[in-house]
Amino acid sequence: GAVVSQHPSRVICKSGTSVKIECRSLDFQATTMFWYRQFPKQSLMLMATSNEGSKATYEQGVEKDKFLINHASLTLSTLTVTSAHPEDSSFYICSARDREQGAGEQYFGPGTRLTVT
Amino acid sequence: SQQGEEDPQALSIQEGENATMNCSYKTSINNLQWYRQNSGRGLVHLILIRSNEREKHSGRLRVTLDTSKKSSSLLITASRAADTASYFCATDVHSGNTPLVFGKGTRLSVIA
Repeated sequence: GAVVSQHPSRVICKSGTSVKIECRSLDFQATTMFWYRQFPKQSLMLMATSNEGSKATYEQGVEKDKFLINHASLTLSTLTVTSAHPEDSSFYICSARDREQGAGEQYFGPGTRLTVT
Repeated sequence: SQQGEEDPQALSIQEGENATMNCSYKTSINNLQWYRQNSGRGLVHLILIRSNEREKHSGRLRVTLDTSKKSSSLLITASRAADTASYFCATDVHSGNTPLVFGKGTRLSVIA
């Protein structure tokens, strides 16, 4: 099956610093990738839709200047958490669809656990 | 935003019993999917049921979909301790490049 990887799997950073999370589709091309955030014991909440070659679309309440998304190629999207604060500590999960398959299964990365101290 | 609700929010059963989780959603869908997530881990895709299907089986899993009631259920038969996890339904409202929208999830505990 299709594989989506994320790097790093865990990261600890200090308040005020920036952290970059990578999401890669390993064996398929993805025009669109999605970034979700999950707080402990809660569900996944969509943060933004990352579009290859164009600007990301952010969900209401998600600060685009804080969560910078770059989708530079059909296999890579990055999420940069800028000026991180402890409340940004969360589990970040990306997903992608195989653009050749249209509707159907969405493939999820294993997630990145961010802890801001 | 979240598409709907799951109930129960938490379920505790004995090993060998069946577990039923329900999911309701608000809008028309293309398909509905169920995922499992172990604590602190990534998502595992369990099953996808399309809007024109009413029931689907996969091993010990049985999923039903009632589009008139905008609801789905996931039945796990003969549960095992290893089934302990959170279970989420996710709806796909369009075909093509749209995100899945997740329900709030059910935390299942299977006691050996």
